[in-house]
Amino acid sequence: NAGVTQTPKFRVLKTGQSMTLLCAQDMNHEYMYWYRQDPGMGLRLIHYSVGEGTTAKGEVPDGYNVSRLKKQNFLLGLESAAPSQTSVYFCASSYRQGVIQPQHFGDGTRLSIL
Amino acid sequence: QQPVQSPQAVILREGEDAVINCSSSKALYSVHWYRQKHGEAPVFLMILLKGGEQKGHEKISASFNEKKQQSSLYLTASQLSYSGTYFCGTEGNTGNQFYFGTGTSLTVIP
Repeated sequence: NAGVTQTPKFRVLKTGQSMTLLCAQDMNHEYMYWYRQDPGMGLRLIHYSVGEGTTAKGEVPDGYNVSRLKKQNFLLGLESAAPSQTSVYFCASSYRQGVIQPQHFGDGTRLSIL
Repeated sequence: QQPVQSPQAVILREGEDAVINCSSSKALYSVHWYRQKHGEAPVFLMILLKGGEQKGHEKISASFNEKKQQSSLYLTASQLSYSGTYFCGTEGNTGNQFYFGTGTSLTVIP
């Protein structure tokens, strides 16, 4: 079982470059999330999606864009990378049955912006 | 809207007990607890709903006081494998947003 797969696992970018992080899940989950994790800050929600074709902003959406063209995929884009976006990025998926059910996480993408 | 956890860090000897608290300024619909080992992804431990308490994992249990918008995670007779960072996650009564707390680092030593 693959679960939630994130690609790439590591990436180094120069300031101003753009890139896309891919998240794929094979559990048929409706909900998908992108978080960033910085030391002492916990996990902060960037954007999320409650279904194919829908996205919404989280706590820290500035500088990021997302798309959910297919139910199983959730893409996170950085249009013009900045050093402040150096972080570990986690994707997660879940479903809803009354309440949001347990989130399944990918292994993370470690991104450095020079 | 990020819930606040306390303590920020705790060191235990094997067999000791610990309590981790999670407080929110918003009305809560549910509370999740996760554990993250260094360099790994968070792993789900348990979920608590309004009016309920659920024991879901090893000797770890939790409570949820919806009137105070607080949850506590109880770790009894701690084992070395309990070491890691514990996060609470909260879903509010409106919308689909989900917020994680700042985390509590737990270290169990022999």
